[in-house]
Amino acid sequence: NAGVTQTPKFQVLKTGQSMTLQCAQDMNHNSMYWYRQDPGMGLRLIYYSASEGTTDKGEVPNGYNVSRLNKREFSLRLESAAPSQTSVYFCASSGGDRGAFFGQGTRLTVV
Amino acid sequence: GENVEQHPSTLSVQEGDSAVIKCTYSDSASNYFPWYKQELGKRPQLIIDIRSNVGEKKDQRIAVTLNKTAKHFSLHITETQPEDSAVYFCAVTSGYSTLTFGKGTMLLVSP
Repeated sequence: NAGVTQTPKFQVLKTGQSMTLQCAQDMNHNSMYWYRQDPGMGLRLIYYSASEGTTDKGEVPNGYNVSRLNKREFSLRLESAAPSQTSVYFCASSGGDRGAFFGQGTRLTVV
Repeated sequence: GENVEQHPSTLSVQEGDSAVIKCTYSDSASNYFPWYKQELGKRPQLIIDIRSNVGEKKDQRIAVTLNKTAKHFSLHITETQPEDSAVYFCAVTSGYSTLTFGKGTMLLVSP
């Protein structure tokens, strides 16, 4: 069981470039999330999807878009990367009666 | 929305001592309270959780207590070991959708 898998693990972008972070879970969970983690700021929710076909904004959605491609996959897109988006990004999923399970993270640097 | 306060932000203890981390929340409808441990460079991992119909839960050296009236819950680690050193996050949810996280507590256990 792989759990939650996200790619890539590391990425360096130039300001203005775009990229998509991929996330897939094999636990048949309905809910999926994207968080960013910055020093001293904890985990902040960017977007979430409570079920296939639905997405909602979280605490810090500006500059991001998401797609819930199917029940397994939830992608995060940066259309025009900015240095303020330098962070560690975590995808997570949850299945209702337990807390969220996280992917291994993507360390993104925007220069 | 939900507001979660976590204290302290850093905690240093000697090996063998106990450690207590406390979180308060604002939404009285919250009913699920997980705790996560994040080692340096790794993903957050669920270590223990409690539901609103339970006042206390134990798992070996860790325990969580919940006071619904006062809207706070705490993580207790007894007989701390150096491998307990990590960042601990509390989280809160009022349903099977989004989790709101505290900002984390860095626990350092000195030999």
